[in-house]
Amino acid sequence: QQPVQSPQAVILREGEDAVINCSSSKALYSVHWYRQKHGEAPIFLMILLKGGEQKGHDKISASFNEKKQQSSLYLTASQLSYSGTYFCGTTSGGSNYKLTFGKGTLLTVNP
Amino acid sequence: NAGVTQTPKFQVLKTGQSMTLQCAQDMNHEYMSWYRQDPGMGLRLIHYSVGAGITDQGEVPNGYNVSRSTTEDFPLRLLSAAPSQTSVYFCASSVTGNTEAFFGQGTRLTVV
Repeated sequence: QQPVQSPQAVILREGEDAVINCSSSKALYSVHWYRQKHGEAPIFLMILLKGGEQKGHDKISASFNEKKQQSSLYLTASQLSYSGTYFCGTTSGGSNYKLTFGKGTLLTVNP
Repeated sequence: NAGVTQTPKFQVLKTGQSMTLQCAQDMNHEYMSWYRQDPGMGLRLIHYSVGAGITDQGEVPNGYNVSRSTTEDFPLRLLSAAPSQTSVYFCASSVTGNTEAFFGQGTRLTVV
């Protein structure tokens, strides 16, 4: 079962912030975040493991609330290069190798 | 270091034809998987493998077969192509399901 992402799409001006949410009906072991540019392969951003940690690099960070089975990706002071489709992927306890993705969030950053 | 290599990049098939999408990785990863990507549907897991000789079904396995005879290769077979299988197919590999996944460049398949 695919995790649910929201919003489906968001349009920003350069320098604005955005939050993308990911939730699951299953107990989660890990949450993955990827970004895909049009016509290209998805590229890894980060993984959060069971334990409720928060990770980040540069101006992109993420949190994982294990109890609520939710994760959020935070993009601050967005840049034009942040444009693309963001996917969250999840693995659940008992099947740590089955990585399933949500439908994606299309992020457009305009000048 | 090539990473994950998929062939072909583009393919047109007639309904009922069979073909194999190739996927090879040179990172000695145990975990490999196949996804299909359709507009508005995200990446849907077709089959995955946790090592040579071990495969399992994902979310949308019908119409596809896989085998894993070596660590490096994980081919995806379409036995009798249908227009509903028109899609972009991505192969990915990783050390485990909880580490960074490396994706191939994709195969764009059209079934007419």
